Formats: sequence, structure tokens, C-alpha cells
Amino acid sequence: SQKIEQNSEALNIQEGKTATLTCNYTNYSPAYLQWYRQDPGRGPVFLLLIRENEKEKRKERLKVTFDTTLKQSLFHITASQPADSATYLCALDPRGGSARQLTFGSGTQLTVLP
Amino acid sequence: GAVVSQHPSWVICKSGTSVKIECRSLDFQATTMFWYRQFPKQSLMLMATSNEGSKATYEQGVEKDKFLINHASLTLSTLTVTSAHPEDSSFYICSATGEGSSYEQFFGPGTRLTVL
Repeated sequence: SQKIEQNSEALNIQEGKTATLTCNYTNYSPAYLQWYRQDPGRGPVFLLLIRENEKEKRKERLKVTFDTTLKQSLFHITASQPADSATYLCALDPRGGSARQLTFGSGTQLTVLP
Repeated sequence: GAVVSQHPSWVICKSGTSVKIECRSLDFQATTMFWYRQFPKQSLMLMATSNEGSKATYEQGVEKDKFLINHASLTLSTLTVTSAHPEDSSFYICSATGEGSSYEQFFGPGTRLTVL
């Protein structure tokens, strides 16, 4: 069956450290994978998109990697701040690029401790 | 950037009534809009995909007669929950994509529906 799994429901780290979140998928062949941030009671906010032919993408303190062999994406936040505390969702296109739909993982709740 | 609004932000209704939720793209034309529902501590579950001027495509297990979707213009989609029951209580979120090759979705702030 098809699955998207994010490594843990919750992750606590100390301010200034690098947070690493994992997204693994099974029985999908996505053309791209996306990461979103969601704050409580709010809609998700787009962060980064990485395509299947890209190994790594960066945006300010964020970095995403995509390994189609391992079927895994890693999401890093460097020099983390308490304001980075939120739930982070990975999402992929379930139909391999033929449509714009997204299937979401269950999310990892990140808490950055001051 | 692209802004999507939803109205109302929360609604409480009695069992058996119908509730309409609006989703608007404020500064871009949304060729495709999506409707999701999210239960506490769970991820977003896609309910349906709608393209302007055509019928919505519903995901497996979503009753199209219960969740009516209308995408009448490039900036407005509506979701009507008909004959709502307590099990329909959830967080409903819409998203939109614009034209071009961009694949990210722009999400509305969500609507909290509580059915008594």
C-alpha cells in the first residue's frame, strides 16, 4: 500500500541547533516533493519544492534533500529559533507529475527550546 | 505573494443543517482549487479537486452529494456541507494553484466546523 511517513510526531531541539526532519514514502513515484509549515489552527504555508532530478534545494536557513533511491526526503533547519516551532508537513504528488494534487504526511511537530 | 481567504473562519451549526464555506484567491486567478479536511493531530486529507467551470473530482470515500463543490469563477470556490452531522465536525481547508508551471499550493486559513 502507499504510505508517507514522517519520522516522528514530535521533535524537541535546543535553539541554535539544526533540526532534521525525515519523510519516507512507499509505492509512490513522485515527480516532486514539497514541504509546508503549519501553525495551530492555520492553513499550511509553502516552504520548498524539490524535483525528482534535484538532490538538494536551499532557501535561507532551510535545506531539503531528495533521494529517489531511498525514497526519502530530509528537511533541515539550521540555526533554529523558537519562532521555527510549528508542525512541518511533507507532501508529494501521488500521480507522478500528471496532476497538481498533493498527498500529505502526518507531520512532525517541532519545538525549539530557548 | 498569493493570498487565499476563507469564510467563515469558524461556524457552529445544528445537526441537519447545511453550511457553506467560501474560498477566494485574492490576488491571482486560481485554475485549480482543492478542498481538504483535517482532524486533530492528523494530516490533511484531500476531499476533492475543482477546476473552474467544470465538475469537481472527488476522492474515494468522499460523498459528492454531501459535500457539494462549486468553482464558479477563477477566484471563488465554495464547499457546502449538506445535512451536517456531528461526525462532519472538522477543520476544512482550501488551497489553490495558479497558472504556469508552479506546483506549490496556496492555502486558506481554514474553517473550523462544529456540528452540534
